Amino acid sequence: NAGVTQTPKFRVLKTGQSMTLLCAQDMNHEYMYWYRQDPGMGLRLIHYSVGEGTTAKGEVPDGYNVSRLKKQNFLLGLESAAPSQTSVYFCASSYTGAGGLYNEQFFGPGTRLTVL
Amino acid sequence: EDQVTQSPEALRLQEGESSSLNCSYTVSGLRGLFWYRQDPGKGPEFLFTLYSAGEEKEKERLKATLTKKESFLHITAPKPEDSATYLCALTGTASKLTFGTGTRLQVTL
Repeated sequence: NAGVTQTPKFRVLKTGQSMTLLCAQDMNHEYMYWYRQDPGMGLRLIHYSVGEGTTAKGEVPDGYNVSRLKKQNFLLGLESAAPSQTSVYFCASSYTGAGGLYNEQFFGPGTRLTVL
Repeated sequence: EDQVTQSPEALRLQEGESSSLNCSYTVSGLRGLFWYRQDPGKGPEFLFTLYSAGEEKEKERLKATLTKKESFLHITAPKPEDSATYLCALTGTASKLTFGTGTRLQVTL
């Protein structure tokens, strides 16, 4: 069991460039999430998905798009990167259960993105 | 608006020196309060979920408790391997998830 994996681990972009971050989970979880973590601000939810083919906005969705074409994958896209998007990005997944959305989440190792 | 405040920001303990981390919160209709551990350069690792005031959960040297305004993470006789950042998060009737900024714990020999 690999759990939650993220690709790439590090990336440097120039302002205006685009990229896609890939998240994959092998636990058959219904729910998946994308967060960003910035110093002094805590983790903030960007987008989430409650199942294949569905996505929803979180707290800070502007400048990002997501897709969940397959249950095991959740993609985060930056169409035109800005320096404000320099951050560490974490993907997470969770199972359905009594806790509902935000039930015990399993996090990936993160992607460190720098936008120059 | 839901709010989570963790204190202290950083805590240094000697091995065996028990202490508590605090998570103060305001929320409309608490649905769950979560504790995570995060090691440097890694993603958070789930520890506990608490649902209602008075609830307690334990795991090895860690015990989480919940009141109507605060949650505490008690660390009994910590070891160096307990060094990490501990994150508190909650969700309420607004179905948002709000994380605190964490407490950095260092346990020395």
